[in-house]
Amino acid sequence: ETAVFQTPNYHVTQVGNEVSFNCKQTLGHDTMYWYKQDSKKLLKIMFSYNNKQLIVNETVPRRFSPQSSDKAHLNLRIKSVEPEDSAVYLCASSFDWGGFAETLYFGSGTRLTVL
Amino acid sequence: GEKVEQHESTLSVREGDSAVINCTYTDTASSYFPWYKQEAGKSLHFVIDIRSNVDRKQSQRLTVLLDKKAKRFSLHITATQPEDSAIYFCAASTPGSFNKLTFGAGTRLAVCP
Repeated sequence: ETAVFQTPNYHVTQVGNEVSFNCKQTLGHDTMYWYKQDSKKLLKIMFSYNNKQLIVNETVPRRFSPQSSDKAHLNLRIKSVEPEDSAVYLCASSFDWGGFAETLYFGSGTRLTVL
Repeated sequence: GEKVEQHESTLSVREGDSAVINCTYTDTASSYFPWYKQEAGKSLHFVIDIRSNVDRKQSQRLTVLLDKKAKRFSLHITATQPEDSAIYFCAASTPGSFNKLTFGAGTRLAVCP
């Protein structure tokens, strides 16, 4: 049963455009994440937020910016997309028990294609 | 930073046989090791995990073994079924990393009838 909802499922755009992806979780979790999965299926964390605060910010180009309005929502904006941004962007959430590791629940992903 | 290596990129087994997927990690401080499954065209979902205070954990047909000295952990699937066919990802995280998981590259498991 899906409890992490991502929109859109797919997005095709041209180089230089701006895109935004949305994520909402209904699990009551404290922490949300954005992961990037490339064409070889490699998964890399981009950002994580705990209760609307940015807590992990990996080495990601500055054109990527996460936005959180509340702990149930985490959006991702990409200003001026590049071809290497083509990937599946996976949103996830988890409980937070004082920084201890907990199970991640993933959304179905947003597949971005940059032409 | 942490690196997680997944040794088998593909694995093919006959239905009913066992499958083993092996991972190694580099950071001795790593203490949490989950496994996720990704079926074709779908997202990831959690299958099993192990923490560093134990060296074995079983859940039905799945067993995870952890060897902290060798910095190695493995997923064992017994009595494989066609629905076990998927990409399996191992991952690791360290305490205080705010659940920042480092994933392996994935193992594509095919269970053939």
